[in-house]
Amino acid sequence: GAVVSQHPSRVICKSGTSVKIECRSLDFQATTMFWYRQFPKQSLMLMATSNEGSKATYEQGVEKDKFLINHASLTLSTLTVTSAHPEDSSFYICSARDLPGLEETQYFGPGTRLLVL
Amino acid sequence: GQNIDQPTEMTATEGAIVQINCTYQTSGFNGLFWYQQHAGEAPTFLSYNVLDGLEEKGRFSSFLSRSKGYSYLLLKELQMKDSASYLCAVITGGGNKLTFGTGTQLKVEL
Repeated sequence: GAVVSQHPSRVICKSGTSVKIECRSLDFQATTMFWYRQFPKQSLMLMATSNEGSKATYEQGVEKDKFLINHASLTLSTLTVTSAHPEDSSFYICSARDLPGLEETQYFGPGTRLLVL
Repeated sequence: GQNIDQPTEMTATEGAIVQINCTYQTSGFNGLFWYQQHAGEAPTFLSYNVLDGLEEKGRFSSFLSRSKGYSYLLLKELQMKDSASYLCAVITGGGNKLTFGTGTQLKVEL
C-alpha cells in the first residue's frame, strides 16, 4: 500500500522559533498533499491543501504567513511553523493523494508532535 | 457549513459486534471514508463508500445511504486491539477536501 512518511516525529522548541516538518510520499507520486492539525481528544482539522508547483490553499482561519507550505516536488511537501507559540503545540499530520485514480483515498503520515515551550 | 456527527464514546465486549453511526450534512459529497486512529498515531484507512449500500472487508463493513446522509461502520468479532478512535470523513469541495467528524472512541472490554 501507499506509504507516507513525516519528519521529525516529535519536536520541542522554544517560543519564537520556527519549525519545519517534512511530508514524503515514498512509493507514489502525490500531486496533492494535505496538512491537518489535531488537538488532544479532538478530530483532525484541515489546515491547507498543498499542490505541487503552485501555492497552497489555506482553510479559513489559518494564517498563511504563519504556516508556510512548500510543495516543490511530487514526493515532498514541507510545513514551516514560523514564530511558534505555545498555542501552536499540537499533532500535525500530513496526507497524500495518489495521482487521480478510481478512489479518492488519502494516505496519512505518522504525524509530528510539536511542543512549544 | 459542514456538519458530521458521531457518538463520542462507545463500549463493547470482546467477541461482540458494534455499529458506529455517522450522519452528515455537507455542501457537496464525493464519498465517505472511515479511518481508525490509535492514540498518538495517524489515522489508517478502513473503508470508502461512494455508492449506496454495504461494503464488506473481513471483520469490518461500512454502509452508506446518500439520501439519508447516513453511514455506519460495523465491526464484528471484536478484539481488544480494536479499541481506538473511529473517524468518519466526507469528501467535499471538488473531490479533494476531507472533512472529519469528531470521532468515536471505542473501548473493547473483556
